[in-house]
Amino acid sequence: GAVVSQHPSWVICKSGTSVKIECRSLDFQATTMFWYRQFPKQSLMLMATSNEGSKATYEQGVEKDKFLINHASLTLSTLTVTSAHPEDSSFYICSASSGPFQPQHFGDGTRLSIL
Amino acid sequence: GEDVEQSLFLSVREGDSSVINCTYTDSSSTYLYWYKQEPGAGLQLLTYIFSNMDMKQDQRLTVLLNKKDKHLSLRIADTQTGDSAIYFCAETPYSGGGADGLTFGKGTHLIIQP
Repeated sequence: GAVVSQHPSWVICKSGTSVKIECRSLDFQATTMFWYRQFPKQSLMLMATSNEGSKATYEQGVEKDKFLINHASLTLSTLTVTSAHPEDSSFYICSASSGPFQPQHFGDGTRLSIL
Repeated sequence: GEDVEQSLFLSVREGDSSVINCTYTDSSSTYLYWYKQEPGAGLQLLTYIFSNMDMKQDQRLTVLLNKKDKHLSLRIADTQTGDSAIYFCAETPYSGGGADGLTFGKGTHLIIQP
């Protein structure tokens, strides 16, 4: 149980393109979803926390107009990187939790490469 | 802010036990986690421990928590080649990570020698 699916797994696109990444909880309802970013050989850094039906809460230094998050249902959250540039290239990982006092379960990540 | 520290590499022989250590600074840490990440993949939840516990065992995995010293360890018994991965320690206050983001260490790369 507790499977989180993330799609796509790898994206290569030109600078200026907007890219949407989906995160789905397949066998549980995720009241909260999280988006993390991981640079090569680095740890994961929390970007934003998203509760279903509410606006996402962004961590300090994360541009909310750059990284648009939508959590429209209890099984789906999306992250859109708008007008992506090479410095946005990274590994983006989502996680989902069924509620307080429950652990986060992670997707397999999306490797984003901006040329 | 919170800080989680881990050594970057650990090398063990196949069949031996691996002990991965982690220290944290946030005194309000309530839940502490161990995740496993294989190359190019996401994170797999291995185990977690609540701060009122000292030890938790799950098959080959044993987690020890010294809350006074803010030290967490993960012991993997009978280490196999499939255990080769990066192991992340993570912590969160209050609500177990279900409503709060996790603070991760930089990860320990476990290398298995034949």
